[in-house]
Amino acid sequence: DTAVSQTPKYLVTQMGNDKSIKCEQNLGHDTMYWYKQDSKKFLKIMFSYNNKELIINETVPNRFSPKSPDKAHLNLHINSLELGDSAVYFCASSLDLLSSGNTIYFGEGSWLTVV
Amino acid sequence: AQSVAQPEDQVKVAEGNPLTVKCTYSVSGNPYLFWYVQYPNRGLQFLLKYITGDNLVKGSYGFEAEFNKSQTSFHLKKPSALVSDSALYFCAVRPINTDKLIFGTGTRLQVFP
Repeated sequence: DTAVSQTPKYLVTQMGNDKSIKCEQNLGHDTMYWYKQDSKKFLKIMFSYNNKELIINETVPNRFSPKSPDKAHLNLHINSLELGDSAVYFCASSLDLLSSGNTIYFGEGSWLTVV
Repeated sequence: AQSVAQPEDQVKVAEGNPLTVKCTYSVSGNPYLFWYVQYPNRGLQFLLKYITGDNLVKGSYGFEAEFNKSQTSFHLKKPSALVSDSALYFCAVRPINTDKLIFGTGTRLQVFP
């Protein structure tokens, strides 16, 4: 059973389109995240949610809008896609906030290519 | 600025030999430290973490890491490398008073037969 699952795994779309990436975790965790990995493999946090409440919003363009309908789901919607949005987007979760030393568990990633 | 450094882009080692992947950090206080591994076209898999206590931490797949506070390092080690260990390894730090991981730039480990 996949602990953190995200769909789609691969997405190719044109500039200007709007797309969503869905994420679900079946670990019973309270905290979920979106991380972005660029073409140089650099990883950076975008958002975190704890019990559906936004905790971290890391200076991400407002074209990116996370939505957490419940604590097991954290979806990422991207408006007006740009070429620079091409990256791998990782969903992740942890039992609670990291201040407790909890481990983050990552999904398999969603490869977004904007053409 | 808080940061994590992985000084080697690539590490090559022969199968059966010991391996070390280096990580140093620059954060205030006593951070939590993590190692993750990423296989091609896959997500990040948790290997081990240091929170407190014994400086030598053991993790998955025979990996271990040693926390050295004076050198602000958290090097990843394995006594005997396997070809299947070849992957991209990330060190990460959670500074105090934040709820995010700061990742290093990654080190590509290549184990040759």
